[in-house]
Amino acid sequence: NAGVMQNPRHLVRRRGQEARLRCSPMKGHSHVYWYRQLPEEGLKFMVYLQKENIIDESGMPKERFSAEFPKEGPSILRIQQVVRGDSAAYFCASSPGTGTETQYFGPGTRLLVL
Amino acid sequence: QQQVKQSPQSLIVQKGGISIINCAYENTAFDYFPWYQQFPGKGPALLIAIRPDVSEKKEGRFTISFNKSAKQFSLHIMDSQPGDSATYFCAASLDTGFQKLVFGTGTRLLVSP
Repeated sequence: NAGVMQNPRHLVRRRGQEARLRCSPMKGHSHVYWYRQLPEEGLKFMVYLQKENIIDESGMPKERFSAEFPKEGPSILRIQQVVRGDSAAYFCASSPGTGTETQYFGPGTRLLVL
Repeated sequence: QQQVKQSPQSLIVQKGGISIINCAYENTAFDYFPWYQQFPGKGPALLIAIRPDVSEKKEGRFTISFNKSAKQFSLHIMDSQPGDSATYFCAASLDTGFQKLVFGTGTRLLVSP
């Protein structure tokens, strides 16, 4: 059973460009979470999605950030007009469903904004 | 009130020794306390977790001690090995229909041979 997959693993963008991060949950998992990890800090919750629905986006910055989890395909975290402060590791996690607390994390995407 | 405070920031332990990492929380509504292990370049992996209705949980060399009245919990790694060298994160969450994990800032553990 393949684990959570994220791509790209590393992404370099210049200020003002767009970053698209993709996450494929574990087989059989329909719930996806995105976290951001700044250097030397813990992970911070960003958003929780189920298929075609955003359930909780309380950790998402109000501007430039958006997330989706379509019926088919991976979950996408999109950052428009990136700034240097967006440089971080972005982790996706998945779980089978509500009430199952274990979240399984992917290897992360390390975004560097020049 | 949503914070989880973790200490120490870094820890060096000799092989065979006991590694102890501590966390404290404020929100008494938290009902799930996992510990994650993260190796460089990898995502966090669940190590062990506890709920507040028990005071201790042991899995192999890893033990969580939980003090509900003090709002503290700790991870003990017995017989620490060089392969345990990693960053450890405590976390807490409350079940609001899903587990919104609040992470500590991490402890970088180095086990010297």
